[in-house]
Amino acid sequence: SQQGEEDPQALSIQEGENATMNCSYKTSINNLQWYRQNSGRGLVHLILIRSNEREKHSGRLRVTLDTSKKSSSLLITASRAADTASYFCATTSGGGADGLTFGKGTHLIIQP
Amino acid sequence: KAGVTQTPRYLIKTRGQQVTLSCSPISGHRSVSWYQQTPGQGLQFLFEYFSETQRNKGNFPGRFSGRQFSNSRSEMNVSTLELGDSALYLCASFNPTGGEEKLFFGSGTQLSVL
Repeated sequence: SQQGEEDPQALSIQEGENATMNCSYKTSINNLQWYRQNSGRGLVHLILIRSNEREKHSGRLRVTLDTSKKSSSLLITASRAADTASYFCATTSGGGADGLTFGKGTHLIIQP
Repeated sequence: KAGVTQTPRYLIKTRGQQVTLSCSPISGHRSVSWYQQTPGQGLQFLFEYFSETQRNKGNFPGRFSGRQFSNSRSEMNVSTLELGDSALYLCASFNPTGGEEKLFFGSGTQLSVL
């Protein structure tokens, strides 16, 4: 069953704009991760935020986590055409490679 | 370092047949997980192997099974295929001693059941 639910399901923006995706989950978590998938290929890990963290940055990515609301957001700044992909949040209540529970993803399209 | 390798890339089978998919993890990674991705159900965890032992299992019927070899390579098997088994099957490797809690995914095997 899906734990995470991303919002919106699809997002289309102009190159150079910022893109924000949200994720909600249902149970307590150990950490939350964001992955990117290009055209039905494998997933690429973007960033991990632990349950005791509120915000994390990596390059053009900014992730926030609100455990009281069971939600997270992923911000991609200064978007590029190469950012066109599907983005998934994934949660685990354990650690390591305990089965991740993925949301259904946000499909992001960057218009040149 | 080579990434996670999955073979074959595409597979077409008919209902009732069985299929075996293969995954070679990144060198040194002893944990291998399998996920099923479908348009309707999204990404779902199948199972995880570490040092040849299944450590975690998702909510899938017994027709789905897997194993891991001493060189950490893993196979998953689906018996008595059903139309609903058509999916992208993704393998991911993980290094528990690497300090980073992230999975490295292969490109997947696209299984079509006719």
